[in-house]
Amino acid sequence: DGGITQSPKYLFRKEGQNVTLSCEQNLNHDAMYWYRQDPGQGLRLIYYSQIVNDFQKGDIAEGYSVSREKKESFPLTVTSAQKNPTAFYLCASSMGQTGVTIQYFGAGTRLSVL
Amino acid sequence: AQSVTQLGSHVSVSEGALVLLRCNYSSSVPPYLFWYVQYPNQGLQLLLKYTTGATLVKGINGFEAEFKKSETSFHLTKPSAHMSDAAEYFCAVSDLMNYGGSQGNLIFGKGTKLSVKP
Repeated sequence: DGGITQSPKYLFRKEGQNVTLSCEQNLNHDAMYWYRQDPGQGLRLIYYSQIVNDFQKGDIAEGYSVSREKKESFPLTVTSAQKNPTAFYLCASSMGQTGVTIQYFGAGTRLSVL
Repeated sequence: AQSVTQLGSHVSVSEGALVLLRCNYSSSVPPYLFWYVQYPNQGLQLLLKYTTGATLVKGINGFEAEFKKSETSFHLTKPSAHMSDAAEYFCAVSDLMNYGGSQGNLIFGKGTKLSVKP
């Protein structure tokens, strides 16, 4: 079955540590997205990529980094510069950037600080 | 710039009652509008979308929404609530450029948690 796989489901970060969240899709989608979800805040866009080897900052990119070396993969690194990383992180993908682009979501990764 | 406001962070209904979740948008161009549902500790699932054409849009699980340009609204309704409808619901608008093209990014409301009482 086609879909978006996020791993791990739960992740714990120590002070000063960088952690990487995985996102893989087999939908052959060009565009991929990372969102952060906090209670009562909705979803906020961290980074997005519309094509391989290219990505743009979203609304809250500080303290995060991404790469897009392969079409199917879009890992997110939460760096030590992100002082409040505890949140639910969602990855999404869509076919492309023009017209009506429906985004499909993974099941999420919950990140907590030890 | 586009924006979305969902009125009511929590809505509680009895099983069998009407569900009404409110969404108002702001957009300088004709919008693309979406409703997503999120069950606890899961990702988001598309319920329905409005692009062009018919203003009453039917989605999955018996939900529908009506695009009202004059009211800048896209409220979500279901005639009879079921216990399985308990979830969080998000309204979203696509960020359209002035010329009508889209970068494909979605702007989400803050969500409405729906509780269904037996």
